[in-house]
Amino acid sequence: DAGVIQSPRHEVTEMGQEVTLRCKPISGHDYLFWYRQTMMRGLELLIYFNNNVPIDDSGMPEDRFSAKMPNASFSTLKIQPSEPRDSAVYFCASSLDRLEAFFGQGTRLTVV
Amino acid sequence: AQSVTQLGSHVSVSEGALVLLRCNYSSSVPPYLFWYVQYPNQGLQLLLKYTSAATLVKGINGFEAEFKKSETSFHLTKPSAHMSDAAEYFCAVSGKYGNKLVFGAGTILRVKS
Repeated sequence: DAGVIQSPRHEVTEMGQEVTLRCKPISGHDYLFWYRQTMMRGLELLIYFNNNVPIDDSGMPEDRFSAKMPNASFSTLKIQPSEPRDSAVYFCASSLDRLEAFFGQGTRLTVV
Repeated sequence: AQSVTQLGSHVSVSEGALVLLRCNYSSSVPPYLFWYVQYPNQGLQLLLKYTSAATLVKGINGFEAEFKKSETSFHLTKPSAHMSDAAEYFCAVSGKYGNKLVFGAGTILRVKS
């Protein structure tokens, strides 16, 4: 298995633009997580899905952020409109159970 | 609710010296505990995990950690540091009946030659 695949690896966008981050989890994993990593706040869980259903989105910072998982092999995290303070590395992770999460290599987002 | 505190945002050791990275947890339910490592520009990789079996857990690359309930600690150790161990290390906790991983702030390990 190729592991968790995230795209793009780097994204630079202008303030106010829509940004879509993509994730393909490991096949067979029932859980999918979106994390954000910044120097100031460390690793924050934004949202997680179980069997394609959002279970906990309490970490989503505001309504500008939305996440979907239309099927077991694909998820998106969308920011609209983007702001400079959204600049961070966004990680997707998937898990078969609660015991181990496999992380993608992340998307480094820069909003200018 | 669960939380972890990692003592020391930066730790520096000489090559061949003992590595000790500290983690204390708080959990209202029996915890599952994890150590992850992150190399520059990479995602996180699991080093080891505690899931209420043996209290001394061995992981990859010669690392191990001991769960001490009385001290609410899960410190990470390695007897002899190698240059390739230089990375950022994260302690994480999950409630036994929950599905969320809560991460500590991370500790950057520097290995001096």
